[in-house]
Amino acid sequence: QKEVEQNSGPLSVPEGAIASLNCTYSDRGSQSFFWYRQYSGKSPELIMFIYSNGDKEDGRFTAQLNKASQYVSLLIRDSQPSDSATYLCAVNPSGTYKYIFGTGTRLKVLA
Amino acid sequence: DTAVSQTPKYLVTQMGNDKSIKCEQNLGHDTMYWYKQDSKKFLKIMFSYNNKELIINETVPNRFSPKSPDKAHLNLHINSLELGDSAVYFCASSQDWTQYFGPGTRLLVL
Repeated sequence: QKEVEQNSGPLSVPEGAIASLNCTYSDRGSQSFFWYRQYSGKSPELIMFIYSNGDKEDGRFTAQLNKASQYVSLLIRDSQPSDSATYLCAVNPSGTYKYIFGTGTRLKVLA
Repeated sequence: DTAVSQTPKYLVTQMGNDKSIKCEQNLGHDTMYWYKQDSKKFLKIMFSYNNKELIINETVPNRFSPKSPDKAHLNLHINSLELGDSAVYFCASSQDWTQYFGPGTRLLVL
């Protein structure tokens, strides 16, 4: 089983819709969870991080964490064509400085 | 102001050569990282330094050797380059748990 799993996509949503991106992880002791956005040919850029169970909102983005089920998700409300990118989930396993990345989900927002 | 910078941006070289990539951060962070991103976009950690001390050394061929002359710099030297080393190499730095990535170095080994 991969340590961090994401559906590679592409996930296509119409402009203005909610995009829902999911990520599962295998290390039950993981403490910190991150979502990065990566445009083609560019470097990953941090969008959000979450440590506690529940929801965390920042503008059009909401991160949701469920440690019991070992998944973390990212919702993008009012999706824009400029949101089209690959979204990488990253997990920081307990007691380490490491970040384990998923393979990313490619999101396409159709105008 | 560029927070995390890498040089060179592109590197095209022949198999068997030795090359170096340099990374500098002006964020005052204590921890720096090297990642490799392959053609399938999988981002995998290679090394990490905290205040010039090596703290993460993943299963990477010993042809790869990191060096941190001070906490603002982390360089990566690669000996005897192989075709499979072709990838994008990202440097990153962090304070607490938030990482900031450099622009990447695109390495192509012919």
